[in-house]
Formats: sequence, C-alpha cells, structure tokens
Amino acid sequence: DIQMTQSPSTLSASVGDRVTISCRASQSITTWLAWYQQKPGKAPKLLIYKASRLESGVPSRFSGSGSGTEFTLTISSLQPDDFATYYCQQYNSYPCTFGQGTKLDIK
Amino acid sequence: EVQLVESGGGLVQPGGSLRLSCSASGFSFSTFDMHWVRQAPGKGLEWVSAIGTTGDTYYRDSVKGRFTISREDAKNSFYLQMNSLRAEDTAVYYCARNGVWDSFDIWGQGTMVTVSS
Repeated sequence: DIQMTQSPSTLSASVGDRVTISCRASQSITTWLAWYQQKPGKAPKLLIYKASRLESGVPSRFSGSGSGTEFTLTISSLQPDDFATYYCQQYNSYPCTFGQGTKLDIK
Repeated sequence: EVQLVESGGGLVQPGGSLRLSCSASGFSFSTFDMHWVRQAPGKGLEWVSAIGTTGDTYYRDSVKGRFTISREDAKNSFYLQMNSLRAEDTAVYYCARNGVWDSFDIWGQGTMVTVSS
C-alpha cells in the first residue's frame, strides 16, 4: 500500500496568514493526489484534484502543487472559514490512502 | 441538486451484520464509480471499498471476505453489506462519488456504525 504522510499534524495560524501543508507519498503517484477539507461533524469537501486543479466553487486562495512524491497545499490568506482539518489522498492505485490529517486552528 | 444520502447505520454486536445503503440523486448514477470511506471516532479517513460501473469491486485488506459492495443502477443506489463485524469497524461510514479525475467529488453526510456488546 502507498503510505501518505502529512506535515505538520497541527498548525496554528491567524486570519490573513499564508499557510502551507505538506504531503509525502511513499512511492511516486505522479499527480494522482487530492486535498480535502473537513469540519467537525461534517463530510469531507474536495478542494484540489490532480495535485493542482481547483475544484469548482473553491476559493482561489487555495492552491496545490507537486508531483511524484512531494505535494503541497497552500492557503494564500487564511479566512475564518478555513480553520478545519485537511487531508491529502492518493488515488494512483488501490487501496486509496489518506494522510493522517493536518488540523489548522486559530493562533 | 447532486446528492448522496446514506442510511442503515446503527448499533450491532460483535459478529453481527449490517447493510448500509447510499441513495444518489441529481446525476447519472450508472456512469460513475462509487466508494465507501469510514472515519473512526476522533481518527482520520480510511477508504473501505469501491465499485465500478461494470460491477468490478475493490476492498481494503481488513474487510476482504467480510464486506460486500454492490450496486443497483435502476434504483440509483449502492450498498455495503457488512458481516462478522468487529469493534474496530466502529466508524462513521461515508459514501462518495468518484469524480471525473478520480478524486471523490461528492460525499454523503455519513451514517454511524457502532459495534459493541
């Protein structure tokens, strides 16, 4: 199975900050990577697919980059609604696997 | 509106069975692969199973031989039959649609499965 490792596990930031979350795959997944946002008690929401493509309706302050084994999710200017947990996911091969999550909270 | 709605969760004893359902609306269900993803209390997301448009199925190792995924395109629904349930299967189970680029673009609200005596 392909292991996905996110860092950091927890990130404290303020409104207006630029934040970056990293995700590393245990083997190359080319660009078969997605990022999801999840708020407590809610289903995950797709933000980024194919490593860098913004899902329709997602604000442009979210962006994704990377290929192979190293990936990044960037939020250019944090808004109050962005405080949540973020997961990366590889779908290069079954079983699909998720990172352990990065909890973004208010500093 | 594009929507997925799960049902069938509940409390079951270890070794018991449960059947989850996911009802789709607002899109051409038969043309999409579909997935089940679970989340244990306070934990991260874990993919469980998938079914393709032609009925091909995929499972994570820990549920192989115990869980069965199926679909009924005429009813815009798919299912997860869970047998020989264990405490470690306790989780919120989400159904999700496989989007055009294979990410999970639509999710249901989740249904809780608790395995406990």
